[in-house]
Amino acid sequence: GESVGLHLPTLSVQEGDNSIINCAYSNSASDYFIWYKQESGKGPQFIIDIRSNMDKRQGQRVTVLLNKTVKHLSLQIAATQPGDSAVYFCAERGSNYKLTFGKGTLLTVNP
Amino acid sequence: GAVVSQHPSWVICKSGTSVKIECRSLDFQATTMFWYRQFPKQSLMLMATSNEGSKATYEQGVEKDKFLINHASLTLSTLTVTSAHPEDSSFYICSAGRGTYSNQPQHFGDGTRLSIL
Repeated sequence: GESVGLHLPTLSVQEGDNSIINCAYSNSASDYFIWYKQESGKGPQFIIDIRSNMDKRQGQRVTVLLNKTVKHLSLQIAATQPGDSAVYFCAERGSNYKLTFGKGTLLTVNP
Repeated sequence: GAVVSQHPSWVICKSGTSVKIECRSLDFQATTMFWYRQFPKQSLMLMATSNEGSKATYEQGVEKDKFLINHASLTLSTLTVTSAHPEDSSFYICSAGRGTYSNQPQHFGDGTRLSIL
C-alpha cells in the first residue's frame, strides 16, 4: 500500500506556459507566508512572501495570491522556464514565529 | 549570494559516530537559527530552535540528548548528532532570519546529507 508522504504532488508544464502551484494552510492565526523553491540536493531558496493583510503580491515572473477565507495560497509563475523545475514549498508562520512547511509540489518544465 | 552557509555538505560515517554540522550566517547576526530534517520526497520538519547564548528549544519528539545544539555566537550554530545510527540518515538543513520577529524570510543553508553506515 501507499505510505503517507512519499508521493509528492506533481505539475508538468510546457516551457513558456504559466504555472499555478497551490497550497492549503492550516493555521488561521498565521500572519506571514513564504514560497520557497528547492532544487535537488540544495536548501530551500526564497521566492516571494506575503503578509496576512494582503491578498496579492507580485514579483519578477511570480505572483502570490492569498485567500484567508479558505486558507489557500497559490504561486503563479509566468512564462515557465526549464530552470524553474524544482520542488516548491509554501510555508506559514504562526504565532510562535516558527515556520510550518507544506508537503511540496514537484514542478517539471518540458522543453 | 548565499547568506547562510552550512558545512559539511555531505558526511558518510560509521554507526556510533558523532557528527557535527555547522551553520553560519554570513553577512548578518542571527540571534535565532532553526534546524530542520528532511527525508526523501518529504517536506522539511522543524527539529529545534537555536537561541544564541541560551538553550535550544526542541520540537516534540526530537531527542535533545541525541541532537545537541550549540549557538555560541551570533553567526554560528552547530548541530551534533550523537552516536548516530542508520535511522538518523537524512538531509539536515539550517536557517536564519535577519530578524526573528519581523516580516523577513528565513534564509536556508544548502543542507548536509548525512549517511550512517
